[in-house]
Amino acid sequence: NAGVTQTPKFRVLKTGQSMTLLCAQDMNHEYMYWYRQDPGMGLRLIHYSVGEGTTAKGEVPDGYNVSRLKKQNFLLGLESAAPSQTSVYFCASSFLDIYLSSGELFFGEGSRLTVL
Amino acid sequence: AQRVTQPEKLLSVFKGAPVELKCNYSYSGSPELFWYVQYSRQRLQLLLRHISRESIKGFTADLNKGETSFHLKKPFAQEEDSAMYYCALSVFITDSGGYQKVTFGTGTKLQVIP
Repeated sequence: NAGVTQTPKFRVLKTGQSMTLLCAQDMNHEYMYWYRQDPGMGLRLIHYSVGEGTTAKGEVPDGYNVSRLKKQNFLLGLESAAPSQTSVYFCASSFLDIYLSSGELFFGEGSRLTVL
Repeated sequence: AQRVTQPEKLLSVFKGAPVELKCNYSYSGSPELFWYVQYSRQRLQLLLRHISRESIKGFTADLNKGETSFHLKKPFAQEEDSAMYYCALSVFITDSGGYQKVTFGTGTKLQVIP
């Protein structure tokens, strides 16, 4: 029972390099999210998806792109990494509640990215 | 816009002492409030939500709309309660296809001293 799985868990990049973080969930959730966690700032939403083939911007989308080609996968890309993108990235998923109330977020273990 | 404030970055208490982690929010509508916890080397997980009104691991939280607060309380702290605690406010946004917008506080690290 994997839940939400993120890969890789750790990565070191040089400024200007590109990379992709993969998030996979096996709970058939409609909604998926990418957050970044920085000291003293809590979790901030980067991008989100309300279903397969759809993505939208969150609070801090600049410098990131996402794709949701399959319902179970949500990819976060950095085209040209910058030191300001050094952070811990969390993926989360939640289900579509027909009553439009808020559901529990299920998180991955996090991916620690360092940009030198 | 919604905002969640957790005024304490670190809260240290002795084992057996009462715990209160503060959370205040600002939102003009009726929010849904949650507490998430992150134990060392584990992923963030839901601790409790205000609509369920239940006690989890001895923790309770009451939504006070007048004071716009959702403080987390436990009468007797245990060492295993040491963790990072995040208060979160959730609102369903109907535009952009509809999504659950969750705003997190900056977190409070609870340290229970043996």
